[in-house]
Amino acid sequence: TQLLEQSPQFLSIQEGENLTVYCNSSSVFSSLQWYRQEPGEGPVLLVTVVTGGEVKKLKRLTFQFGDARKDSSLHITAAQPGDTGLYLCAGPGAYSGAGSYQLTFGKGTKLSVIP
Amino acid sequence: EAGVAQSPRYKIIEKRQSVAFWCNPISGHATLYWYQQILGQGPKLLIQFQNNGVVDDSQLPKDRFSAERLKGVDSTLKIQPAKLEDSAVYLCASSAAGVWDTGELFFGEGSRLTVL
Repeated sequence: TQLLEQSPQFLSIQEGENLTVYCNSSSVFSSLQWYRQEPGEGPVLLVTVVTGGEVKKLKRLTFQFGDARKDSSLHITAAQPGDTGLYLCAGPGAYSGAGSYQLTFGKGTKLSVIP
Repeated sequence: EAGVAQSPRYKIIEKRQSVAFWCNPISGHATLYWYQQILGQGPKLLIQFQNNGVVDDSQLPKDRFSAERLKGVDSTLKIQPAKLEDSAVYLCASSAAGVWDTGELFFGEGSRLTVL
């Protein structure tokens, strides 16, 4: 089983601060996805990273895929209260058959941005 | 475009009772997933359908959980009898792709189950 470990588990910061959250594994992933889940809602895809060393930017969010494709990070610049939520990384795990893989999630980082 | 619809949003039952959750995926999405999300954890896959066939149910507790996807569209997830540890949010997701590399999962709002 390919496990994804996320850190920190909880993070509480003031509005305007910068932060980085991490997603690590001992296994190589062909790609990783980052989702954000707000309270009472389902996860929503933010980005998919595919190439080792890849950097993707989504407004104030910067995603990086490690060179060895075993880890990824999410950096938020000047955090806003609207960034509050559970950030989940996910990657293909066991082969499910029919050309698809189980999507395995980490436990997530719960971010609170205080106004 | 309408999103993934789930019902009910909330359900409270006593242990040993039964419960059923319903999911209507995004129109045209061939792949449907049921995930269980226990408080403080990430979603855990229970079952994956491709059209109306089961692709993966290796983590489904088959002694008490069952799921079906008739006609390859709507799906129901049933728990009978429920245990205290089944208290969780049950998330339904759908995807247009059966192949991982192009697969974005679209999630519903979830059904929160409390077992007393």
